[in-house]
Amino acid sequence: KAGVTQTPRYLIKTRGQQVTLSCSPISGHRSVSWYQQTPGQGLQFLFEYFSETQRNKGNFPGRFSGRQFSNSRSEMNVSTLELGDSALYLCASSYRGGLAGYEQYFGPGTRLTVT
Amino acid sequence: GESVGLHLPTLSVQEGDNSIINCAYSNSASDYFIWYKQESGKGPQFIIDIRSNMDKRQGQRVTVLLNKTVKHLSLQIAATQPGDSAVYFCAEKSGNQFYFGTGTSLTVIP
Repeated sequence: KAGVTQTPRYLIKTRGQQVTLSCSPISGHRSVSWYQQTPGQGLQFLFEYFSETQRNKGNFPGRFSGRQFSNSRSEMNVSTLELGDSALYLCASSYRGGLAGYEQYFGPGTRLTVT
Repeated sequence: GESVGLHLPTLSVQEGDNSIINCAYSNSASDYFIWYKQESGKGPQFIIDIRSNMDKRQGQRVTVLLNKTVKHLSLQIAATQPGDSAVYFCAEKSGNQFYFGTGTSLTVIP
């Protein structure tokens, strides 16, 4: 079974631009969660989508948004990029939702650098 | 907000020795805890979890200990191997959200 895939793996953007990241979950998984990982803050939860609906949301500004398609693939968008948005963005998929750690599978992440 | 921290940012151990990685959490209402391993260039990988109604759980070569009195979590790796070299971090669940520590980098010396 193929794992979680994320594209692109690396991205360089300029402050003020917007960016869209993509995540393809494991086949059959309906939940996709997004996280931001930085050295200083560790992993921080952005939001979770389940069957095309946002089910949970972390404490990030409205510049961070996401969506999920009928095939469970998910995208997250960051508008008006700031230098502090430079991070590794991880997505994780699970069948029923990310409340059990063993059920959640992470992708390799997209490394975003904002200059 | 939640605060999950690790006592040591780096840890070096000899191959074959046991490793102990520690984690402090701040929310006494957290009911579920996870340890993750993250290798360079990869996403986090689930290692072991424990619920708040337990104080110890064992897996293959790993043991997690939970001390709710002092809000402390530890991961013990027995007979550490070179393949164990990675960043390890803990997570706590409070409500419907997870809060993660920043990680401890474990280096295994052959």
